[in-house]
Amino acid sequence: NAGVMQNPRHLVRRRGQEARLRCSPVKGHSHVYWYRQLPEEGLKFMVYLQKENIIDESGMPKERFSAEFPKEGPSILRIQQVVRGDSAAYFCASSPDSAGTEAFFGQGTRLTVV
Amino acid sequence: KQEVTQIPAALSVPEGENLVLNCSFTDSAIYNLQWFRQDPGKGLTSLLLIQSSQREQTSGRLNASLDKSSGRSTLYIAASQPGDSATYLCALRGGGNKLTFGTGTQLKVEL
Repeated sequence: NAGVMQNPRHLVRRRGQEARLRCSPVKGHSHVYWYRQLPEEGLKFMVYLQKENIIDESGMPKERFSAEFPKEGPSILRIQQVVRGDSAAYFCASSPDSAGTEAFFGQGTRLTVV
Repeated sequence: KQEVTQIPAALSVPEGENLVLNCSFTDSAIYNLQWFRQDPGKGLTSLLLIQSSQREQTSGRLNASLDKSSGRSTLYIAASQPGDSATYLCALRGGGNKLTFGTGTQLKVEL
């Protein structure tokens, strides 16, 4: 019973490069959420996805950020042309449905932009 | 817009002490409230989940309460141990199924 798996755990990118963060939800979970934790700040919601659908992206920056959760494979959070301010811990969570059930979190990906 | 506040921001106690962490929120229209633990550089571990219809949940030395009318939740830790040292986060699930997190209480339990 693997939990939420995120990879890589640590990612270093130079300014202007692309960052791809992957999240495999708990087996059987069809709802995925991405959160960002900036240094010295709390966790902030970014995006909520179901298989092949973006349900709520109200927390996503308008530019450079995108997310997907394809029918097959992990959810991907993609950051294009990274800047130093993108350095943060990015956490993925999953739940089995939308009925207010418990959310399970991954270990996070720590992105450092140099 | 939901706002979640946790007090105190930091707490240091001697081993064996009972302690209470507080979480307050502004919008009582929630599905549930979840308490998490986060160790430095690590992910989030779910401790307790309280549904909106419930008043409290218990797991081992942990007890969490929920009072929607006053917009408050407390996490009670009995007989604290050095291994309890971590940041504790409360998070509320409201409309749209997303979690709104508090800023956390950083707990240190000293020998």
